[in-house]
Amino acid sequence: DGGITQSPKYLFRKEGQNVTLSCEQNLNHDAMYWYRQDPGQGLRLIYYSQIVNDFQKGDIAEGYSVSREKKESFPLTVTSAQKNPTAFYLCASRTGTYKNTEAFFGQGTRLTVV
Amino acid sequence: GNSVTQMEGPVTLSEEAFLTINCTYTATGYPSLFWYVQYPGEGLQLLLKATKADDKGSNKGFEATYRKETTSFHLEKGSVQVSDSAVYFCALSDGEGNNRLAFGKGNQVVVIP
Repeated sequence: DGGITQSPKYLFRKEGQNVTLSCEQNLNHDAMYWYRQDPGQGLRLIYYSQIVNDFQKGDIAEGYSVSREKKESFPLTVTSAQKNPTAFYLCASRTGTYKNTEAFFGQGTRLTVV
Repeated sequence: GNSVTQMEGPVTLSEEAFLTINCTYTATGYPSLFWYVQYPGEGLQLLLKATKADDKGSNKGFEATYRKETTSFHLEKGSVQVSDSAVYFCALSDGEGNNRLAFGKGNQVVVIP
C-alpha cells in the first residue's frame, strides 16, 4: 500500500543531543513537508522540499535541519540549538505543485526531551 | 500572506446534534480549501476539499461550501456520532510559488453519547 511512514513513533532525547526523525513515502510525490504540532497552536511549517536536492525554510526553521537526497526520503534533524523541541512532528507529501492536490500525512513522531 | 482562522475553543455536543465549525481565510488569488481531521495520536487525513468558488465539498456526512464573497469555508454535519470526536483543521493552498498549505489552529470536537 502506498503511504508515508514516519519513525520512530516515540522518541526521547537528552538535552544537548541531536536526533533525526525519519520520513519515507512511496507515493512518488515531489513535494514533502515537515510540520510541528503543539497544543492550541495548530500546525507550523518547519521545512519543505519541492524537488530532490532542494528545500526551503518554513516559519519555524531555527534549530532544525533537513536533507532531500532521494525523492522518497525527507529526514528531519532536531539539533541542540532548538530550545523547546518537545512536540508532535508530522511529515506530509504532495504531488506536484498544483494547488488542488491534497497532502498525505504520516502518523507522526512524538519527541520528548528528558 | 495567506492565513486561516478557525473559531476559538473546543466544541462539545451531544450525539445526533448539528455541528458547525467556522473557518475564514485570507489569501491572494483563488486558493483551494481543505478540511482535515485528526484522530488521537494520529496524523491528519483529508476530509473534504473545494477548489473554486461556490464548490461544495462533502464526505462522510460532512459538507463545506467555498464562499468567496465572505472568504469562508465552514464545516457542517447534520447529525454527529461519537466516532466524529476528533480535531478538525481548515487549510488553504494558493499554489503560488512554494505551494505551501496554511493551516488553522484546529478545533477539538467532543461528541457525548
